[in-house]
Amino acid sequence: AQSVTQPDIHITVSEGASLELRCNYSYGATPYLFWYVQSPGQGLQLLLKYFSGDTLVQGIKGFEAEFKRSQSSFNLRKPSVHWSDAAEYFCAVGSNTGKLIFGQGTTLQVKP
Amino acid sequence: EAQVTQNPRYLITVTGKKLTVTCSQNMNHEYMSWYRQDPGLGLRQIYYSMNVEVTDKGDVPEGYKVSRKEKRNFPLILESPSPNQTSLYFCASSSRDYNEQFFGPGTRLTVL
Repeated sequence: AQSVTQPDIHITVSEGASLELRCNYSYGATPYLFWYVQSPGQGLQLLLKYFSGDTLVQGIKGFEAEFKRSQSSFNLRKPSVHWSDAAEYFCAVGSNTGKLIFGQGTTLQVKP
Repeated sequence: EAQVTQNPRYLITVTGKKLTVTCSQNMNHEYMSWYRQDPGLGLRQIYYSMNVEVTDKGDVPEGYKVSRKEKRNFPLILESPSPNQTSLYFCASSSRDYNEQFFGPGTRLTVL
């Protein structure tokens, strides 16, 4: 069955520190992979996506993610976190039917 | 401006009173979906539609209905709402080619 796991429910980092949010997926074919961010009280904004090609993808707001097929992972990274990055982050895997399966989400808190 | 709109944004109702949440997109997308978001569970797909008059169940369809009579609209119908349908609901749309879903702003529903 298709599934997405985000092992970390809550992460706290200091402003200026690096960030890595983990995402593991289970999917039978080559997946479409996404990271979304949701600020409090807001909708979902797409950070980046992977469909094919280069396994390191760049997104908005200085985020990047690396697709590792051997590990079934698509971890999100940022070299230096800003206070405005505090939000909930969702990893998702998509299919060619338009269906998205989301992970449970990781809440990021940024310490000053 | 390309967007997905939902109405109403907030709704408080009582058990058993039929309601409809509207969703409309102006991007001529083929795919549309409804998700519900609950704490600790991420977003779960309720129903999706791959084109006009084509709908299918997602992961949590019980208690919901949808219709897709026009390409731009995808209303979510709760015939007899119950308290366990209290949630935050998102509508999304995507094109067939890119599978990137654009999300509406969300509808916060409370069923008393």
